[in-house]
Amino acid sequence: DIVLTQSPATLSLSPGERATLSCRASQSVSSYLAWYQQKPGQAPRLLIYDASNTAAGIPARFSGSGSGTDFTLTISSLEPEDFAVYYCQQRNTWPTFGGGTKVEIK
Amino acid sequence: QVQLVESGGGVVQPGRSLRLSCAASGFTFSAFGMHWVRQAPGKGLEWLAVISYDANNKYYADSVKGRFTISRDKSKNTLYLQMNSLRAEDTAVYYCAKDGVRLYYYDSSGFSNFFDSWGQGTLVTVSS
Repeated sequence: DIVLTQSPATLSLSPGERATLSCRASQSVSSYLAWYQQKPGQAPRLLIYDASNTAAGIPARFSGSGSGTDFTLTISSLEPEDFAVYYCQQRNTWPTFGGGTKVEIK
Repeated sequence: QVQLVESGGGVVQPGRSLRLSCAASGFTFSAFGMHWVRQAPGKGLEWLAVISYDANNKYYADSVKGRFTISRDKSKNTLYLQMNSLRAEDTAVYYCAKDGVRLYYYDSSGFSNFFDSWGQGTLVTVSS
């Protein structure tokens, strides 16, 4: 299985700040990486697919980059509703997810 | 809009069985592969199984292979997960999720998909 390692585990930021989340794969997944947002008590929501494609209805402040083994999710300016847990997922083989990064209010 | 509604969760004793359902609407159910993903309390996400859009191909994570069976009924627009020989470690919220790509072909290579819609989840608790 491909292991996805997300860092940091927790990111403490203020509204308006820029958030940079990392996802590293144990072997290349090409560009086949997605990002999801999950709020407490809710299902995950797709944000980014295939590394850099923004899903329908997702605000432009969310962007993704990377290829191979190193990927980044960037939130350009945090809004109050962006404080949540973020997961990456690869689809180069049977799907696996990273352990998540919690973005919390500083 | 796409809607996925899971049901069938509850408390079950170890070794017993449970069947989950996922009612789909708002899209052409027969054109999309469907998945089950679970999340243990306070933990991350774990993919469990996929069924192709035509129900011809089914694949499972090692953790549930031989115990869980995924199926679908196109006449009812419903996805199922039959769970047998349940264990305490199967305690989790179970989500159904829809393929992000229409008519996606699955084979044993494992090359898979992303999930563009999710249900709200149903909680399964395995406890004596």
